[in-house]
Amino acid sequence: DAKTTQPNSMESNEEEPVHLPCNHSTISGTDYIHWYRQLPSQGPEYVIHGLTSNVNNRMASLAIAEDRKSSTLILHRATLRDAAVYYCILKSRGGSNYKLTFGKGTLLTVNP
Amino acid sequence: GAVVSQHPSRVICKSGTSVKIECRSLDFQATTMFWYRQFPKQSLMLMATSNEGSKATYEQGVEKDKFLINHASLTLSTLTVTSAHPEDSSFYICSSDGTSGTDTQYFGPGTRLTVL
Repeated sequence: DAKTTQPNSMESNEEEPVHLPCNHSTISGTDYIHWYRQLPSQGPEYVIHGLTSNVNNRMASLAIAEDRKSSTLILHRATLRDAAVYYCILKSRGGSNYKLTFGKGTLLTVNP
Repeated sequence: GAVVSQHPSRVICKSGTSVKIECRSLDFQATTMFWYRQFPKQSLMLMATSNEGSKATYEQGVEKDKFLINHASLTLSTLTVTSAHPEDSSFYICSSDGTSGTDTQYFGPGTRLTVL
């Protein structure tokens, strides 16, 4: 799997927007950009994914750069429950197995 | 979304004993299941991929004779840690992408193993 680079940690205030960056300069044309998050002592949770166009769902928005070498996960109004480690992962379609390779992620702290 | 459960949620065992962890897909058929291990303050590390009815594929450095994986049905995969030692103490997490072709992986809540 291609490598991604994320800041180790970020801090936000409750009810403010949060922009979590991810660099993936070696992304290939078939790689999807996935975001998962992991709350303390829990399994990871799917957040959002996209290929080229920006994506929105009930949890977050994903903004993908035109050259696809970077992306940003946007939490529109952070809550205390959003405090977690956020992982940006590239995953290709195709083949009989779909493996996710987790990096270190970004630890998001949300201040009340 | 699809639900994956794990049992037990936490287990404490003595060194040298074997521990079995179950991973179940509750509302979908899991053709493929993945097993991860996570040490404190570290990221998830994929241990193996199991396909229903066939042998698991282990990642480099993971001992297949120590971590036995069985995926006998489309809703159940088990991981057995044989002759557990304190260094095997970790958070074990399973996941599945449901039927093949989906883009999302669904993770279980994890099992905290402590070996005394």
